[in-house]
Amino acid sequence: EADIYQTPRYLVIGTGKKITLECSQTMGHDKMYWYQQDPGMELHLIHYSYGVNSTEKGDLSSESTVSRIRTEHFPLTLESARPSHTSQYLCASSDGGRALSDEQFFGPGTRLTVL
Amino acid sequence: DQQVKQNSPSLSVQEGRISILNCDYTNSMFDYFLWYKKYPAEGPTFLISISSIKDKNEDGRFTVFLNKSAKHLSLHIVPSQPGDSAVYFCAAMANFGNEKLTFGTGTRLTIIP
Repeated sequence: EADIYQTPRYLVIGTGKKITLECSQTMGHDKMYWYQQDPGMELHLIHYSYGVNSTEKGDLSSESTVSRIRTEHFPLTLESARPSHTSQYLCASSDGGRALSDEQFFGPGTRLTVL
Repeated sequence: DQQVKQNSPSLSVQEGRISILNCDYTNSMFDYFLWYKKYPAEGPTFLISISSIKDKNEDGRFTVFLNKSAKHLSLHIVPSQPGDSAVYFCAAMANFGNEKLTFGTGTRLTIIP
């Protein structure tokens, strides 16, 4: 069973605020990912990590930053939120040990609204 | 440029009948394909996958077909059940690389009782 958690599930904040979206997994997975999804659109990869102290930018440019100090934890931070950041943010992890890393496990997502 | 396309945003199917969801891709480097299912207010969950060395993979009621020459894959669900109502995302990966998934826009499947 997948154990990947995201908090908060919903967040409504004002413009200019700094926020951190939390993501934790208990599966010991090396690889973790952050996706952004707008309604009716595809998931866009914004950040990923191969392991501790590894972070990479994804395919979609994002003003957010991430850190990977511990294997199980991959928080995403927005220093100054804007209405354009309103979206759903999905965290995922996968076991990078296999030649075909077939399955990414997703958290429930954080729906962010910036007013 | 969208590399993974799901041209049908929605699909309605009678309970008990077959649901067929389609997906096309443009990147010839993609060699591994996955289907995810997503309920509202939840993250996507993995459903079934297929490697480019196969043209069919079956798991219970779910079968994925891959046509490499047409760069097309499809997910068949038979028989369709009300609990199958969800958004289905097709995703693709170029395995020899950093294993990033590229997702389609999803198809909302509604099973009519």
